[in-house]
Amino acid sequence: DQQVKQNSPSLSVQEGRISILNCDYTNSMFDYFLWYKKYPAEGPTFLISISSIKDKNEDGRFTVFLNKSAKHLSLHIVPSQPGDSAVYFCAASGNYGQNFVFGPGTRLSVLP
Amino acid sequence: NAGVTQTPKFRILKIGQSMTLQCAQDMNHNYMYWYRQDPGMGLKLIYYSVGAGITDKGEVPNGYNVSRSTTEDFPLRLELAAPSQTSVYFCASRRGGVGTGELFFGEGSRLTVL
Repeated sequence: DQQVKQNSPSLSVQEGRISILNCDYTNSMFDYFLWYKKYPAEGPTFLISISSIKDKNEDGRFTVFLNKSAKHLSLHIVPSQPGDSAVYFCAASGNYGQNFVFGPGTRLSVLP
Repeated sequence: NAGVTQTPKFRILKIGQSMTLQCAQDMNHNYMYWYRQDPGMGLKLIYYSVGAGITDKGEVPNGYNVSRSTTEDFPLRLELAAPSQTSVYFCASRRGGVGTGELFFGEGSRLTVL
């Protein structure tokens, strides 16, 4: 049973436009969420996080939105750049962040 | 600053062989984790540790063992390798504390069992 879902395996966006990556979760105990980016042959790198006490967090071109009632979060990248092409993972944690559950990832391609 | 270091980066094993994947971090993080990533899948948690001497099972612990004798090191042991353990393994660490702090990942160890 997948507790964290990313229903779009892939997404293509034109350079300069907005990229929106979605993530849904089923466990209402999750209270801390993170987004990671992964390039081939590298480990995932942290992008941005959000706690359940917030509904939005921004860091430069990256914004994460959390809708707790819908158990849904999204990552917005504006403007998208070719260097953003990677696999993006959504991760969620409950119990004070002892461990994290990852979604299957969405492959983003930003076309020049 | 090295961060999280994993060795080896690549390994081919025969069915039934044993090996240890090494993981070391130099950030004095309390929490350490082992994940595996299969093609087209997310990361599945194998084992984690909240401090030296304390380990706990994750989602997919069967076929693996871990130990945490020091804060820095968290080796993952495969006792009897099986083709189902062919995967990319990632070690990660985290500072710890309530609800905050991201995971820092190593570069991964690609294991093939033939």
